[in-house]
Amino acid sequence: AQTVTQSQPEMSVQEAETVTLSCTYDTSESDYYLFWYKQPPSRQMILVIRQEAYKQQNATENRFSVNFQKAAKSFSLKISDSQLGDAAMYFCAYITGNTPLVFGKGTRLSVIA
Amino acid sequence: KAGVTQTPRYLIKTRGQQVTLSCSPISGHRSVSWYQQTPGQGLQFLFEYFSETQRNKGNFPGRFSGRQFSNSRSEMNVSTLELGDSALYLCASSLEWGLRVYEQYFGPGTRLTVT
Repeated sequence: AQTVTQSQPEMSVQEAETVTLSCTYDTSESDYYLFWYKQPPSRQMILVIRQEAYKQQNATENRFSVNFQKAAKSFSLKISDSQLGDAAMYFCAYITGNTPLVFGKGTRLSVIA
Repeated sequence: KAGVTQTPRYLIKTRGQQVTLSCSPISGHRSVSWYQQTPGQGLQFLFEYFSETQRNKGNFPGRFSGRQFSNSRSEMNVSTLELGDSALYLCASSLEWGLRVYEQYFGPGTRLTVT
């Protein structure tokens, strides 16, 4: 079964600094997608960034970027110039074929002013 | 375009009762997925519907069921509620089913409390 592991239950970062959230996954598939979702205290899950496994180039979305290491099955999220609004739970997720999204346990990110 | 809507937002039920939660996907989206979120188990997949057919089902007991209507709206039902069913139930919609169109948009969730 596919699994997604987020080894950091909690992280904190100073405002304007950079933070990296870790994620590893386990799969035997070659074609899949990886995602980072953000869930602020309001609980609305928001897609932050996605990465297609067949693409070698790391995805970026404004201040958010990923470091995708396919051989190592690693998919970390880097948040640059952290803002107070970045405080939330961040979930790494994986999908392949016709299987549903598999989520990690999440990392709670605090941003310190 | 309106987002995914879920009703009700909050619900309190008693053990043994049953409950029905509703999800309206984004207009044009035909796939709806349901997830249960708890502090202990995290986000767990319940089921996924596409064109009124269940395409995937998670590892939940038969007390959990769902359906999808011709307008893509979906409902999930939990019968004989147990205390452990207390959770945030999230619905997500996407254009299609399967890997080709992969982006899921989530609703705000229904907070179910079983007493």
